[in-house]
Amino acid sequence: EDQVTQSPEALRLQEGESSSLNCSYTVSGLRGLFWYRQDPGKGPEFLFTLYSAGEEKEKERLKATLTKKESFLHITAPKPEDSATYLCAVSVPQGGSEKLVFGKGTKLTVNP
Amino acid sequence: GAVVSQHPSRVICKSGTSVKIECRSLDFQATTMFWYRQFPKQSLMLMATSNEGSKATYEQGVEKDKFLINHASLTLSTLTVTSAHPEDSSFYICSAPPTSGTREQYFGPGTRLTVT
Repeated sequence: EDQVTQSPEALRLQEGESSSLNCSYTVSGLRGLFWYRQDPGKGPEFLFTLYSAGEEKEKERLKATLTKKESFLHITAPKPEDSATYLCAVSVPQGGSEKLVFGKGTKLTVNP
Repeated sequence: GAVVSQHPSRVICKSGTSVKIECRSLDFQATTMFWYRQFPKQSLMLMATSNEGSKATYEQGVEKDKFLINHASLTLSTLTVTSAHPEDSSFYICSAPPTSGTREQYFGPGTRLTVT
């Protein structure tokens, strides 16, 4: 069964305190790994797609990396506005198409 | 670009009634849209894949007669929750890939359904 596990479930940081979020996966055939940001009561906002081990993507204070078994979302010098739940998802084959399987997310709180 | 909207954002209905949720792609055409359900502190769970002009594909365990999906145009998919019960209360979110064949999905803002 395809599974995505995110850790930690919740993370509290002080403004400027860098850290990393983890997403580990066991899937039958990885077609892509995705990071999303979700604010309370809102739909997920697309951040990154990673396709192969060793790939890295950056956007402002965020950098996503991918290995064969896991992905990390590194947050450098976070600000309070980075507070959100960060979701990891993998695209896996289903019949003749694909579907996303999501982890439960990491709730990040950045205190000023 | 790649904006997906949903309507309504919140709905409260009585047990036994039906509720329709709309999902629209505003600046692109979507031959495929996806419907998810999210319970508090849980993952987004795929309910069904909506295909324009054909029947939706439902995930295992999702009752297709209860969750009716219609994808009548390239910019609109609807999810109707029929004979709603309190256990159907959840956050329903739709998504679509902005370009046919891409794997990225862009999500709508979600609809909070409360069944009393």
